[in-house]
This record gives sequence, C-alpha cells and structure tokens, in this order.
Amino acid sequence: DAGVIQSPRHEVTEMGQEVTLRCKPISGHNSLFWYRQTMMRGLELLIYFNNNVPIDDSGMPEDRFSAKMPNASFSTLKIQPSEPRDSAVYFCASATVSYNEQFFGPGTRLTVL
Amino acid sequence: QQPVQSPQAVILREGEDAVINCSSSKALYSVHWYRQKHGEAPVFLMILLKGGEQKGHDKISASFNEKKQQSSLYLTASQLSYSGTYFCGTASGNTPLVFGKGTRLSVIA
Repeated sequence: DAGVIQSPRHEVTEMGQEVTLRCKPISGHNSLFWYRQTMMRGLELLIYFNNNVPIDDSGMPEDRFSAKMPNASFSTLKIQPSEPRDSAVYFCASATVSYNEQFFGPGTRLTVL
Repeated sequence: QQPVQSPQAVILREGEDAVINCSSSKALYSVHWYRQKHGEAPVFLMILLKGGEQKGHDKISASFNEKKQQSSLYLTASQLSYSGTYFCGTASGNTPLVFGKGTRLSVIA
C-alpha cells in the first residue's frame, strides 16, 4: 500500500490567496483526520471524518477553514483567504476506526507571506 | 484537555535509559505513543488500552495506569535512531486522540 498521500508537499502563497490541500487516505480506512502542527501549539486536530461524514470540526480555527470528503478516497482542506498565521505543517492521517492507530501522510508545509 | 508530557526535552548518551511521562486530567480509555523524526510525519509506536497493561516494542515499552490517568514510555539502551519527538495521544471512549506537546529526545554518541 502506498500509505496516506498528500499534495502538495510544499506550498508558498501570498496573504489573501486561496489554498487547497489534498489527501488520499489508505484504502479501507474509514476515519480521516486533518491536523495542523506548529512549534507553539504542537499537533492540533482540526477536523475528522468517519465514513466520509464530518464528525467533529471544533478544532477548525475559523470560518476561513473548510474541509470536505466527497468520497472514501479523497479529502480537501481549504483556507480562504489565507493569512500569515496559517503557516504550519498540515498533516492528514487515516485509521480503520477513529480510536485506532493512525497513519500519517508526509504533510504539507504551508507558508503564507 | 491536552495531556501533559514530561520532560519537555531530554538528552541521552547511547546506551542510557529514559522515561517519558504522559498525564491526563480525564479518565482514559486508551493511550497511543508516536515518534516523529525531524521533518517527517509522526509514526505509530503502540497503543495501550484501559486495563493497566504494559506493552513492549523492541527496547521501547510502555505502561498505562488508568487509576492515575497516566502512561509512561520506557526507552532502554537508547540508540541514535531513537532521537526524535515523542508524542502521547489520549482518548476517552471512542473519541479521537488528543496529543500532548511532545518530548524531544536527543541521543548522542
């Protein structure tokens, strides 16, 4: 199995631009998670899905952030408009069920100038 | 209710042992341990479930004391490859993990 796939691996954009991060979970996994990692806050859960349905989005910082999972093999995290404080590494992870071992993708390093 | 990890950082010489602690203010169902090397994604090490079990993974083992709501990760005879940041993730019931801020472990020759 290829593992969790994320794209792009690096993204540099200017403040105010829209950013879309993509994730393909491991086939057969029913839970998908989006995390943000910064030095100050560590690894924060933004949102997670079970069977393509968003279960808890309380970690989404504000309305500028949105996430979708249109099918079992694809999810997006969108930031519109982006701000410099959104600069971080964004990880997608998947698991067979929400409380089991999570497999992380390689991450997307986002820099907002 | 982010779990609290201690110490925040530790430096070891090869062959030395270390203990990393993870404490929660909530009743726990499970504790997960992950290791993240610099510039890479976190990688799963082990899960401990309610029941006070202890698990081992090569020379890395962990215990879970549900009464005290804490878990400890034991690294024995450390190797250079053990360097990285160790995270505990805690769950109460069938909820997703909440990760601690991590413990940075550096093993030097």
